[in-house]
Amino acid sequence: EAGVAQSPRYKIIEKRQSVAFWCNPISGHATLYWYQQILGQGPKLLIQFQNNGVVDDSQLPKDRFSAERLKGVDSTLKIQPAKLEDSAVYLCASSPGLAGPSSTDTQYFGPGTRLTVL
Amino acid sequence: DAKTTQPPSMDCAEGRAANLPCNHSTISGNEYVYWYRQIHSQGPQYIIHGLKNNETNEMASLIITEDRKSSTLILPHATLRDTAVYYCIVRAEYNFNKFYFGSGTKLNVKP
Repeated sequence: EAGVAQSPRYKIIEKRQSVAFWCNPISGHATLYWYQQILGQGPKLLIQFQNNGVVDDSQLPKDRFSAERLKGVDSTLKIQPAKLEDSAVYLCASSPGLAGPSSTDTQYFGPGTRLTVL
Repeated sequence: DAKTTQPPSMDCAEGRAANLPCNHSTISGNEYVYWYRQIHSQGPQYIIHGLKNNETNEMASLIITEDRKSSTLILPHATLRDTAVYYCIVRAEYNFNKFYFGSGTKLNVKP
């Protein structure tokens, strides 16, 4: 079974530029997540999709970050314009989408995209 | 908003058991405990999860206390490849897919 794919693996941009990241989840997984991981910290959830609908984007800086999941499969995360503090690893994860009050779901992560903003 | 507490780092000799503790004193009745690890420059990797009972798989064992306020991840025979940051996670009560990652425990396995 293929894992979660992400591209690019590395990106260096200057502040105020735009950047986009792409994620292809595990086939059949209904739920897709984007996390931001700053050096030395654990991942922080930015946005969560269930199929092509947004479930949680409470920690997404909406003035500069946007994300979409067209057709409920692939997803892109965009930053426009980038700031120095956006330097981080951006992780994509997917899960079958089976979680409920008495059931659980396991998230599978991609390798991440390391963004450096100069 | 991390709901777990872990020591920042631990050392373990190669071939010995590594016991990684986690406190989750505010856990509620239907919240699962998950463990992930992150090897340098890779995405987090799922290890194991549990609700009330102890669990074991090919990677590790998970021991959850009876009151569910803490748990321990056990790697029975640590190898150098087990050097990683280990995250203990509980999911959100209102969003069953939402994980809160803390800062984790950096496990250093030494020869």
